[in-house]
Amino acid sequence: SAVISQKPSRDICQRGTSLTIQCQVDSQVTMMFWYRQQPGQSLTLIATANQGSEATYESGFVIDKFPISRPNLTFSTLTVSNMSPEDSSIYLCSATGTGQYGYTFGSGTRLTVV
Amino acid sequence: GDSVTQMEGPVTLSEEAFLTINCTYTATGYPSLFWYVQYPGEGLQLLLKATKADDKGSNKGFEATYRKETTSFHLEKGSVQVSDSAVYFCALSRGSGGSNYKLTFGKGTLLTVNP
Repeated sequence: SAVISQKPSRDICQRGTSLTIQCQVDSQVTMMFWYRQQPGQSLTLIATANQGSEATYESGFVIDKFPISRPNLTFSTLTVSNMSPEDSSIYLCSATGTGQYGYTFGSGTRLTVV
Repeated sequence: GDSVTQMEGPVTLSEEAFLTINCTYTATGYPSLFWYVQYPGEGLQLLLKATKADDKGSNKGFEATYRKETTSFHLEKGSVQVSDSAVYFCALSRGSGGSNYKLTFGKGTLLTVNP
């Protein structure tokens, strides 16, 4: 299965600033996703990163707050914009080929906003 | 919409005890089912999967059987170890294109195994 490199692994940011998280997959994949995991909680899908077109956002998430890029089949970025302490979470990138046979996750970015 | 209901934790067991974590799902069609494990401070790792009814996924002594009649995918292990202490997530995907590819997760079950 694919291997995902995600960076940074953690960061502490000032409120009002933005952070861009990068996700690099070692092989071409069909689908890439971004999740948020708040402390002690399950994973919530933010959006599906579409190659060459705008991301598809889930209810409650908007492009202005979480702009996503996917310029090719192996790379995606998520930006958390105009951060507030409520954005403190773990952000995870995920990828799959067909969906049936498993999804690979990056090791996550632990974000703290102060 | 799709949903996954997972046994709430935390679950605390002694080493070598038997483990069951219940998982049931609601989804149209024939979803693929997964168990993921998250060790402290780490990302998610695929533990096992099943893609059709009556399939049994297994890995590292863990097993789960896809039961379509009861819409369940319960995780079991005959003898847990301290190193199994982690959060376990049940998830499904309809994997048939577009937004069906996304994973829907249960809330997670924290397992602590004491020596």
